[in-house]
Amino acid sequence: KAGVTQTPRYLIKTRGQQVTLSCSPISGHRSVSWYQQTPGQGLQFLFEYFSETQRNKGNFPGRFSGRQFSNSRSEMNVSTLELGDSALYLCVSSLGGGSNTEAFFGQGTRLTVV
Amino acid sequence: AQRVTQPEKLLSVFKGAPVELKCNYSYSGSPELFWYVQYSRQRLQLLLRHISRESIKGFTADLNKGETSFHLKKPFAQEEDSAMYYCALVSGGYNKLIFGAGTRLAVHP
Repeated sequence: KAGVTQTPRYLIKTRGQQVTLSCSPISGHRSVSWYQQTPGQGLQFLFEYFSETQRNKGNFPGRFSGRQFSNSRSEMNVSTLELGDSALYLCVSSLGGGSNTEAFFGQGTRLTVV
Repeated sequence: AQRVTQPEKLLSVFKGAPVELKCNYSYSGSPELFWYVQYSRQRLQLLLRHISRESIKGFTADLNKGETSFHLKKPFAQEEDSAMYYCALVSGGYNKLIFGAGTRLAVHP
């Protein structure tokens, strides 16, 4: 079965703009999480959605938001982009049945803010 | 604060040598710990989880609550083990993972 698909793979945006990233989870998976990966901070949890509801949120400013659709596909949005938002954004898909459920990673969207 | 520490950025060994990638955690309560691996040009994937007490690709990891550690071990490293390894802790339930900074394992012929 198809893996976690993230689009686009690469993005270049200008400071102050906003961006929307998309993630299609594995079929049947109802949980989608988002992580930011940077060389300085490593992998940091952004938020998690399950059945269209945000269940968990990390320590990121309100400029970072997300949503999940009824087909479990998810989008994350970053408004008023800053240079420090340049990162690899990873989507993670799981069945969502509990904390020990295996997580499947997408290949990520690399965002560069100039 | 909940935290995962991987003290080594790089671990370099020769093929056939034993490997131990260190992971220490800070967590109040019963932790749920994982090791994830990222091979070159591939996405992150689960290697093993402590609750399963399994051995994957010859790797094992034992949870030591007294030392708050979850070190990853393999008795004889192979070149194909070269990858980035991340230790992770489930925090706050569900699917919020706290990752360590990662250790790059380089296995030389």
